[in-house]
Amino acid sequence: EIVLTQSPATLSLSPGERATLSCRASQSVSSYLAWYQQNLGQAPRLLIYDTSNRATGIPARFSGRGSGTDFTLTISSLEPEDFAVYFCQQRSNWPPTFGGGTKVEIK
Amino acid sequence: QVQLVESGGGLVKPGGSLRLSCAASGFIFSDYYMSWIRQAPGKGLEWVSFINTSGDTIYYADSVKGRFTISRDNAKNSLYLQMNSLRAEDTAVYYCASSPFGELFYNYWGQGTLVTVSS
Repeated sequence: EIVLTQSPATLSLSPGERATLSCRASQSVSSYLAWYQQNLGQAPRLLIYDTSNRATGIPARFSGRGSGTDFTLTISSLEPEDFAVYFCQQRSNWPPTFGGGTKVEIK
Repeated sequence: QVQLVESGGGLVKPGGSLRLSCAASGFIFSDYYMSWIRQAPGKGLEWVSFINTSGDTIYYADSVKGRFTISRDNAKNSLYLQMNSLRAEDTAVYYCASSPFGELFYNYWGQGTLVTVSS
C-alpha cells in the first residue's frame, strides 16, 4: 500500500502567518491527493481534492499543489479557526491511505 | 443540509460483536459511494471498508477482512457495518463518509461513534 508521510508533525505559528504543510507519497499518486482538516473532537472536513481543487465552501486562503509524490497544502494567512490537525489522503491505489497528520498549533 | 449520523457504538468484550449504522439525509444517498473510516484514540485515520452505490462492489482493509461486513439500504438511506470477533485493536471512533460517484475522496463525514473493545 502507498505510505503517505506528512511533515512537519507539528507547526507552531501565529495568526496571520503562512502555513506550509507537506505530504510525500511512497510512490506516485498522480494528482489523486486530498487534504482534510480535523478540529479537536470533530470529524474531518474535506478541504482540497485532486491536489488543488477546493471543496465547497472552503476559503481561498487554502491552496494545494504538487504531483506524483510531493504535495503541499498552503494556508496563506492563518485564522484562529485554522489551528487544527491536517491529513492528506491518496486515492490512486487501493487501499486508500492517509498520512499521519500535521498539527498546526498557536505559537 | 447534509447529515450523516452514526450509531451503535459502545463497550464490547474481545470476541464480541457490534453493528454500526449510519443514517444519511440531505443528499441523494443512492448516488454516493460510502465508506467506514476509523480513528484510534490519539491516532490517525484508517480506511476500513467501501461499498459502491448498488452494493455489489465491496472492499475491506486487510485488518478487518473476514470479521467485518459492510452493507447499505438505499431505500432507508442507511449504511451498516457488522463487526464480529472484535479485538482490542479495533477500538476507535468509526466514521461513515461519502464519496461522489466515481471518486474516492470523502466529502461528507458523520460525527463518529466510539467502539471500545475491552474486557
